[in-house]
Amino acid sequence: QKEVEQNSGPLSVPEGAIASLNCTYSDRGSQSFFWYRQYSGKSPELIMSIYSNGDKEDGRFTAQLNKASQYVSLLIRDSQPSDSATYLCAVSKGSNYQLIWGAGTKLIIKP
Amino acid sequence: DAGVIQSPRHEVTEMGQEVTLRCKPISGHDYLFWYRQTMMRGLELLIYFNNNVPIDDSGMPEDRFSAKMPNASFSTLKIQPSEPRDSAVYFCASSSNRGGKTGELFFGEGSRLTVL
Repeated sequence: QKEVEQNSGPLSVPEGAIASLNCTYSDRGSQSFFWYRQYSGKSPELIMSIYSNGDKEDGRFTAQLNKASQYVSLLIRDSQPSDSATYLCAVSKGSNYQLIWGAGTKLIIKP
Repeated sequence: DAGVIQSPRHEVTEMGQEVTLRCKPISGHDYLFWYRQTMMRGLELLIYFNNNVPIDDSGMPEDRFSAKMPNASFSTLKIQPSEPRDSAVYFCASSSNRGGKTGELFFGEGSRLTVL
């Protein structure tokens, strides 16, 4: 079992719809959770961080964390073609600030 | 702030040659990370520094790889001798421990290395 698992996709979503990206992790001691966006040929860019159970909203983005079930998700409302990218889930290694990375989910927003 | 600055952006070299990648972190950041990214293996942490001190180099593939951080504003990753399997994009990232947000990384644009 991989430490951080994501569906590789591609996930195709029509423009204006909600895109839902999921990530599961194996280390119950993990305390910090992140979503990074990476456009093709570019570097990863942090879009959301979440540290406690529940939802965290920032504009069109909502991160959801459920530590009991060991999953974290990212919702993108009103999806735009510019949201097309690979989304990387990263989880802290226990209480250490080292990150364990998922392989990423490729998201395609179709106009 | 200018962000994390890496050089060179592209490097093409022949097997056996020495390669040096450079990184300038964001001023005030006390953590610096070197990552490697390939299609097959994704993002791999090679080494990270805290306040210029190497903390964990367990991700460094082998003795051919070495990294230094002589001061708070400069780090190098050296590969000697280089091999074709070292071809990848190498990212440098930095972060600040203020507020416990070490995991909020700021990445440089990366150095794309091709070893022929």
